[in-house]
Amino acid sequence: DTGVSQNPRHKITKRGQNVTFRCDPISEHNRLYWYRQTLGQGPEFLTYFQNEAQLEKSRLLSDRFSAERPKGSFSTLEIQRTEQGDSAMYLCASQGSPDTQYFGPGTRLTVL
Amino acid sequence: KNEVEQSPQNLTAQEGEFITINCSYSVGISALHWLQQHPGGGIVSLFMLSSGKKKHGRLIATINIQEKHSSLHITASHPRDSAVYICAVPLTGGGADGLTFGKGTHLIIQP
Repeated sequence: DTGVSQNPRHKITKRGQNVTFRCDPISEHNRLYWYRQTLGQGPEFLTYFQNEAQLEKSRLLSDRFSAERPKGSFSTLEIQRTEQGDSAMYLCASQGSPDTQYFGPGTRLTVL
Repeated sequence: KNEVEQSPQNLTAQEGEFITINCSYSVGISALHWLQQHPGGGIVSLFMLSSGKKKHGRLIATINIQEKHSSLHITASHPRDSAVYICAVPLTGGGADGLTFGKGTHLIIQP
């Protein structure tokens, strides 16, 4: 069990560019969550998957954001046409049973 | 949707002091999480509890379901306990929900 991993750990991009982040959950965890954390704030829920099905999306997830978990294992979060307000830490967590969520190290996005 | 309030927002204490961090939430829940976040962003789950009390080393977490309140205590605090402590509960109360988080308590333990 190697824990939840996220790549890249840091991403700097220019406004208007597209970015994609990857999350590899703990193997056999069927639930995977994405959160966003801005400086000085607690994380905020974005979306979650049960296996490959995306079951819930926060209203924070605008049309520029899309998340996938095609085979029920790793997940990707894509942001299109990035804006400076998208700068944040993007956290992934996975959950098996019992209901403890295990967090990855996060991807820190900076949009210039 | 659940709302989470944590207090205090900031806490500075001397090494060895007993620390208490409080968390209140608005909607009945299946379980509450206490998390620790060090500078650099990594989040570690400390406790998940649905009733009573749990202890792990110098950390103790309690929850009162009727009052919708939880506390995290640190005994014999040490500078390495310096971190942000975050309380989190399911968005709508259920176990499979995404979590909603408090703003965190920034704890500094001075030697």
